[in-house]
Amino acid sequence: SAVISQKPSRDICQRGTSLTIQCQVDSQVTMMFWYRQQPGQSLTLIATANQGSEATYESGFVIDKFPISRPNLTFSTLTVSNMSPEDSSIYLCSVRSGQSSYEQYFGPGTRLTVT
Amino acid sequence: DQQVKQNSPSLSVQEGRISILNCDYTNSMFDYFLWYKKYPAEGPTFLISISSIKDKNEDGRFTVFLNKSAKHLSLHIVPSQPGDSAVYFCAASANFGNEKLTFGTGTRLTIIP
Repeated sequence: SAVISQKPSRDICQRGTSLTIQCQVDSQVTMMFWYRQQPGQSLTLIATANQGSEATYESGFVIDKFPISRPNLTFSTLTVSNMSPEDSSIYLCSVRSGQSSYEQYFGPGTRLTVT
Repeated sequence: DQQVKQNSPSLSVQEGRISILNCDYTNSMFDYFLWYKKYPAEGPTFLISISSIKDKNEDGRFTVFLNKSAKHLSLHIVPSQPGDSAVYFCAASANFGNEKLTFGTGTRLTIIP
């Protein structure tokens, strides 16, 4: 399975500001995914990021609020823009294993608190 | 619209006994199912999966059962160990895993020593 790291691991931010979360994978992967887990809730897919193309956003998520970059096959960033307390969540990136196209492996997550 | 449901938010089981976690789904297009375990402050860890062409898949202490007619799957852990205490999520995908994962709300499993 791929080893995934995320930075920062946690942050406390003021409303109205933006935070960029980094996701680094130890191997080249085609597809990377960004999820959100709000307090007490399940994981919800924000967007799918393929290298060299625009990210595909799920219903309820827009590029202006959650811009994503995917400059190469091992790295992606998610920015949470113009934050409000409702954005307080754990943000996770994941990848599909190269050995199996079906199983996703997750990073440790970024715990964001917006005050 | 919660397409994947885990109706038990928590479950306590004695160490050494069997833990059974349940998951129901409503979308008949789902044909690939996965279970993840999540510890606090960590990302979910993949445990086991099953395709709709099977009704059972086993990996060590973990067995997943799929009942397609009932749209129900379950994860059996036997024997349960203290390290199994975590939140367990089931997830489902269409097109044999090539579509996005839809997660359930999770079940917190506590193993009592």
